[in-house]
Parts: sequence; C-alpha cells; structure tokens
Amino acid sequence: AQSVTQLDSHVSVSEGTPVLLRCNYSSSYSPSLFWYVQHPNKGLQLLLKYTSAATLVKGINGFEAEFKKSETSFHLTKPSAHMSDAAEYFCVVSENADGLTFGKGTHLIIQP
Amino acid sequence: GAVVSQHPSRVICKSGTSVKIECRSLDFQATTMFWYRQFPKKSLMLMATSNEGSKATYEQGVEKDKFLINHASLTLSTLTVTSAHPEDSSFYICSGQGRGNEQFFGPGTRLTVL
Repeated sequence: AQSVTQLDSHVSVSEGTPVLLRCNYSSSYSPSLFWYVQHPNKGLQLLLKYTSAATLVKGINGFEAEFKKSETSFHLTKPSAHMSDAAEYFCVVSENADGLTFGKGTHLIIQP
Repeated sequence: GAVVSQHPSRVICKSGTSVKIECRSLDFQATTMFWYRQFPKKSLMLMATSNEGSKATYEQGVEKDKFLINHASLTLSTLTVTSAHPEDSSFYICSGQGRGNEQFFGPGTRLTVL
C-alpha cells in the first residue's frame, strides 16, 4: 500500500527567501512522485514529477524536488519565494496504474 | 477529514456505450468540483471545472459533448463519457472544493473500454 505525508499544513516564508515543502511517502514498489500546485478556484497544475530517472527533478517556476529513497522523501524547494507562489501544494504518489494517493496539502503563505 | 467518494471504482464497457461516473462529497458542500484524467505513470490532466448549478468549464482540447458534466447539487457531480472508445480508457479522478478552498480528492474510477 502507498501513502503520502505532507508534514506541514501551513508554511509561511518571506518573499525572496527559500521555500521548503516536505513530503514523505511509503510505497511497496518504485513509485512515481508528483508535486502539484493549486491556486484558489483553479485546478491542479503539475509542477514536476519523478519517474525513476534523475533523482533531482527540476520543475516549472523555479521549483525542484529531490527523490531520496533512503529517507523516503520528496521535498519541494525553491531558492527564492515570489508572491505569486502563494497557493496550495500537493504531493502525490503513484505506484501502479490503478491509483493515486494524495497528501493533505500544504498551504504556502508568502509574506511581503 | 472531509470525504469524497466516486462510483463506480472500476467499470468495463463496450465501445460505443456511455458510462456515468459519480462524484459525491459526503460530509461537506462542494460548490466547485474538478474532474481529472490520468494515464499510467503520467500526471493528472484537468478536464473541466464544475460549478453547482451552472455549466462546466472545459479545458482546451476536452470535448464537452463527449464528456458531459452535471453538477446538480452541492454534493454531487457526474461525468458521463458518451460513445466511449478504447482511447477513453483511463483513470478518472474528481475533487471537491470546500468553503475554505481546501481540496478533497476522490479515490478515482478506472474506466476500461473494450
């Protein structure tokens, strides 16, 4: 069985400072891992995905995530936060063709 | 936490038939629901945004006459795949948006068209 834990329900950072959104997963097999962003009243938008290629994955808008099998983690980072990054972020794991497991989401707040 | 259910969880149908998938918010009212599809090992693709009591807003490239969405109440949205073809085989997921803009995802429906 697969599961995803987003360790922080809310993260607040100042504009221009680094962002770290944490995600830990459990999976019986080699999973695919995704980060999505959702702005209010909008659908999910894919930020990046890991599918057993390079462990450091670069995504859109300056985000990246590193797959660490030993730590079962897939944390999302960005060197410098922008006001437009304020949104809800979801970590998602998929280990087979038959299902996705979503984290509960992390609300990112950007302070001016 | 809030729960969203989908029914059926799996469905197999013949080519040319129509299939209805239900998405229900069980313990909250969802003024907005989103419908996604996912191909194996691929990311989710937003199909449409469904608002209670109004027409759904479809993403570019999604045929509204093929994927009929109805959001007749604050707890139920349905997606009907009309005249299904094998290329419609996919995993369909809905999510319900609560009043605080939080998202709750359904468990998904696996559609196989023979």
